[in-house]
Amino acid sequence: AAGVIQSPRHLIKEKRETATLKCYPIPRHDTVYWYQQGPGQDPQFLISFYEKMQSDKGSIPDRFSAQQFSDYHSELNMSSLELGDSALYFCASSLATTNTYQETQYFGPGTRLLVL
Amino acid sequence: QKEVEQDPGPLSVPEGAIVSLNCTYSNSAFQYFMWYRQYSRKGPELLMYTYSSGNKEDGRFTAQVDKSSKYISLFIRDSQPSDSATYLCAMTGAGSYQLTFGKGTKLSVIP
Repeated sequence: AAGVIQSPRHLIKEKRETATLKCYPIPRHDTVYWYQQGPGQDPQFLISFYEKMQSDKGSIPDRFSAQQFSDYHSELNMSSLELGDSALYFCASSLATTNTYQETQYFGPGTRLLVL
Repeated sequence: QKEVEQDPGPLSVPEGAIVSLNCTYSNSAFQYFMWYRQYSRKGPELLMYTYSSGNKEDGRFTAQVDKSSKYISLFIRDSQPSDSATYLCAMTGAGSYQLTFGKGTKLSVIP
């Protein structure tokens, strides 16, 4: 079965640079979520999109922005990178259901970002 | 205090043992509960999903939810070395899109 695809898998940037992470959800999934996982930490929710509209916002810095495109893929744009941005960034996708508010989230393999 | 508390371990058990993993939570709005397994440097993999108090079984895995006590558990029977991973509990409320995770319990199953 097709899974969530993330690219790149690894990324090295310097402070103050910009990075763009891409996420391709499972086919027919309409909701995308972004999480940040620091070393030894649990994933922290950043932002989500449903049908190309922002659906929820968590602890996403103002330096970061994201969007979901017409083909449902999503991009997380990170500017003015800081050392503390070094982490694993996960994308998850789900298919919205009609009878409950909860959609099961399936995670991608993550993008490991290292800021030097 | 974090909304979701989970003992990070590490937890080391012999092959074939029954493993019990637990989380407590404080937010009464949480209604949906999940267990994810995460291997090193990989994305979390969904193991179990429940939305009501009681037990749910899937093969060697049993998820248990007690909403009155705000306590959830994952039991692994006949544990295998391939079960060695970090287990994360996650939960969310109605109308919410974000998962709140526990810190994860690192499990090692020794052959």
